[in-house]
Amino acid sequence: NAGVMQNPRHLVRRRGQEARLRCSPMKGHSHVYWYRQLPEEGLKFMVYLQKENIIDESGMPKERFSAEFPKEGPSILRIQQVVRGDSAAYFCASSGGVNPGANVLTFGAGSRLTVL
Amino acid sequence: AQKVTQAQTEISVVEKEDVTLDCVYETRDTTYYLFWYKQPPSGELVFLIRRNSFDEQNEISGRYSWNFQKSTSSFNFTITASQVVDSAVYFCALRGGDSSYKLIFGSGTRLLVRP
Repeated sequence: NAGVMQNPRHLVRRRGQEARLRCSPMKGHSHVYWYRQLPEEGLKFMVYLQKENIIDESGMPKERFSAEFPKEGPSILRIQQVVRGDSAAYFCASSGGVNPGANVLTFGAGSRLTVL
Repeated sequence: AQKVTQAQTEISVVEKEDVTLDCVYETRDTTYYLFWYKQPPSGELVFLIRRNSFDEQNEISGRYSWNFQKSTSSFNFTITASQVVDSAVYFCALRGGDSSYKLIFGSGTRLLVRP
């Protein structure tokens, strides 16, 4: 009964490169959320997806960031042309059920991105 | 606007001491949920508790207890007889309404339990 699986756990990129972070939700969960944690801060909401649909991306930076949750396979958070300010821990969470507001989010272990 | 404040940035205690982590929230929703998560040094987020706004009963789970006070908009977390393994960052979080899905996190309290 695997939980939320994120990979890679650690990723190092140079400025201008692309970062791809993957998240496989818990079995049976169809709601995926991405949060970002900057050093010494709490987590901030980025995007909420259901299978093949972006429901809310209000927390995503307007440029360079994108997310998807295809019909098959994991959810992907993609950061193009990374800058040093993108260095952070990126957490994925999932939940099941019809009513996402009442559900507990299960978080993955996070992917730590370092931009040199 | 919704907001969660954890005024204590860092707390250091000696093993076996009791410690209380404060959490104050702001919301205009009449229905909302409050959460505590633990982030140990390994980095993952571990769910501890969820409380909805209609249930003001305090809860105890082993050495952990939570005090929910709507009158002061607080949801404090107490660890009794702390242990070194309790050392972690603890986050309080708020989610408003049954249709809302965004968790609003506080900035966290780092707890260090010394042997």
